[in-house]
Amino acid sequence: QVQLVESGGGLVKPGGSLRLSCAASGFTFSDYHMTWIRQAPGKGLEWVSSISPISSYTNYADSVKGRFTISRDNAKNSLYLQMNSLRGEDTAVYYCARDLSGYSSEWGQGTLVTVSS
Amino acid sequence: EIVLTQSPGTLSLSPGERATLSCRASQTVSSNYLAWYQQKPGQAPRLLIYAASSRATGIPDRFSGSGSGTDFTLTISRLEPEDFAVYYCQQYGSSPRTFGQGTKVEIK
Repeated sequence: QVQLVESGGGLVKPGGSLRLSCAASGFTFSDYHMTWIRQAPGKGLEWVSSISPISSYTNYADSVKGRFTISRDNAKNSLYLQMNSLRGEDTAVYYCARDLSGYSSEWGQGTLVTVSS
Repeated sequence: EIVLTQSPGTLSLSPGERATLSCRASQTVSSNYLAWYQQKPGQAPRLLIYAASSRATGIPDRFSGSGSGTDFTLTISRLEPEDFAVYYCQQYGSSPRTFGQGTKVEIK
């Protein structure tokens, strides 16, 4: 079955950096678009970024453009999110998800990122 | 960007009752690319419906989606105890993909 396991979250100071990872299994990773979605504590869902199967296409929410970079390593069945210049409003649980034509068919359990001094 | 407004914010119902959740878009959702997700406390969201009315794999048939254009509905025909949760709609026909703010279905 499809399994997505995020890691790399933690406490970071404003202006700092963090790299999230998502290990995928149970499907042919290189066939699928992948996405990061976040959820601030007690709030709703916010799409963050998506990447095409061979990394030829990426897109970002305006709120993270220029600060976050999505990438993938198909040989390692892994998805990444490099987060720089972090702000308090980036505090959230970050989910990775497998895309099917734009909607997210399976989600990981999430990893918490806390930006605070 | 397309803004999705869900109503009501909270729905208080008893098990066995019918739940009707609304999702209204600020612009036409291209190709009716509208999905619904269920989220329980401490868990990741789960896909219920895609393309406005197609049930995802393994989703019970008491869940149904309908609508087109700017008005969409998720109906739960008879609430089971495990259905009390928060429900989000999402449009993926235009970039950026956007979510509604959620409807909480709580036990009355």
